[in-house]
Amino acid sequence: NAGVTQTPKFRILKIGQSMTLQCTQDMNHNYMYWYRQDPGMGLKLIYYSVGAGITDKGEVPNGYNVSRSTTEDFPLRLELAAPSQTSVYFCATHDKLRTGKSEKLFFGSGTQLSVL
Amino acid sequence: GQQVMQIPQYQHVQEGEDFTTYCNSSTTLSNIQWYKQRPGGHPVFLIQLVKSGEVKKQKRLTFQFGEAKKNSSLHITATQTTDVGTYFCAGHRWGGGADGLTFGKGTHLIIQP
Repeated sequence: NAGVTQTPKFRILKIGQSMTLQCTQDMNHNYMYWYRQDPGMGLKLIYYSVGAGITDKGEVPNGYNVSRSTTEDFPLRLELAAPSQTSVYFCATHDKLRTGKSEKLFFGSGTQLSVL
Repeated sequence: GQQVMQIPQYQHVQEGEDFTTYCNSSTTLSNIQWYKQRPGGHPVFLIQLVKSGEVKKQKRLTFQFGEAKKNSSLHITATQTTDVGTYFCAGHRWGGGADGLTFGKGTHLIIQP
């Protein structure tokens, strides 16, 4: 199993351009998340999804959009890229919340995005 | 909102020395998780603590969850070069839903041979 796959690994955008960061998982997990990680900082939640057709905003959703048409895929869309969106983006998944069970996140390898 | 503070931000140690990072939450937590991120890599789950006062060990790593479920620590005994990386705690607030965890900013462990 590949786990969580993110593409691309690196991307440079010009201000105002748009792009989609892809995330796909083969673990049949219901929950998927998008985080951004700025240098020296922790992970900030952008958007999350509890299942196909359901998405919700996290802590820092402005400037981003998501969709979840299938269990496997959770793309993140940047419509008008800004320098403040320069960051490393991580997609993560976990199985449904189960009391007493480990709720660990499985992370993809990340996308390093620079907006110039 | 919930805040998770982690200290220190950076820790330089000589190989063989011990290392400890501390995590404090502004609110009571349902559970706390610890992740390790190698330089240039992605966070990898280490452990989850659920019970008040819980202590778990993984070889040279010891994890503790405070009695009040608001703080936690990770202690590494006799560090090795393979321990290099950033260690994050992540708190799941009591009754929290699928909007996941609040991550601390991490402690960067730098080991000098």
